[in-house]
Amino acid sequence: EIVLTQSPATLSLSPGERATLSCRASQSVSSYLAWYQQKPGQAPRLLIYDASNRATGIPARFSGSGSGTDFTLTISSLEPEDFAVYYCQQRSNWPTFGPGTKVDIK
Amino acid sequence: EVQLVESGGGLVQPGGSLRLSCAASGFTFSSYWMHWVRQAPGKGLVWVSRINSDGSSTSYADSVKGRFTISRDNAKNTLYLQMNSLRAEDTAVYYCARDHGYGYYYYMDVWGKGTTVTVSS
Repeated sequence: EIVLTQSPATLSLSPGERATLSCRASQSVSSYLAWYQQKPGQAPRLLIYDASNRATGIPARFSGSGSGTDFTLTISSLEPEDFAVYYCQQRSNWPTFGPGTKVDIK
Repeated sequence: EVQLVESGGGLVQPGGSLRLSCAASGFTFSSYWMHWVRQAPGKGLVWVSRINSDGSSTSYADSVKGRFTISRDNAKNTLYLQMNSLRAEDTAVYYCARDHGYGYYYYMDVWGKGTTVTVSS
């Protein structure tokens, strides 16, 4: 099983600041990595797939990068609605998710 | 509007069974792979199972293999998850999700709101 680790566990930032979230895989997943956003009481929402492709309707302030074992989700300027938990997910083997990074308001 | 609506969750005793349903609308259901993903209270996301577009191929997480069965009825635009021999650790919100498809398999681009399964005596 491919294990994903995410850091930091919690990121405390203010609206307008830049958020940088990390996801590391226990072995190479090539570019087969997605990012999801989940708000309390809601279902996850696909943001990024294949490391850097924005899903339909996702604002340009969200961007993804990386390949192999190290990946990054960047939110260029946090909007109030961006405070949420973010999960990475790989599809190189059967799907596994990281434990999540909570982005909360400083 | 593309929509997935789960139903069938509830309280069940350990060792019991439950069947979840997921009604799809707003897209051509028969063209897409579908998934079940679960989330235990306060925990992260865990992929459970996947079925291909015509139902001829399925896969499961090791934790549910032999106990859960995924199926679909394309005439009714409905996905199912039959859960047998339920354990306390199966307690979770169960989400139905559509596969992205178009070569980007195993990414989930549409999600239902979830249905809650509680396994307890």
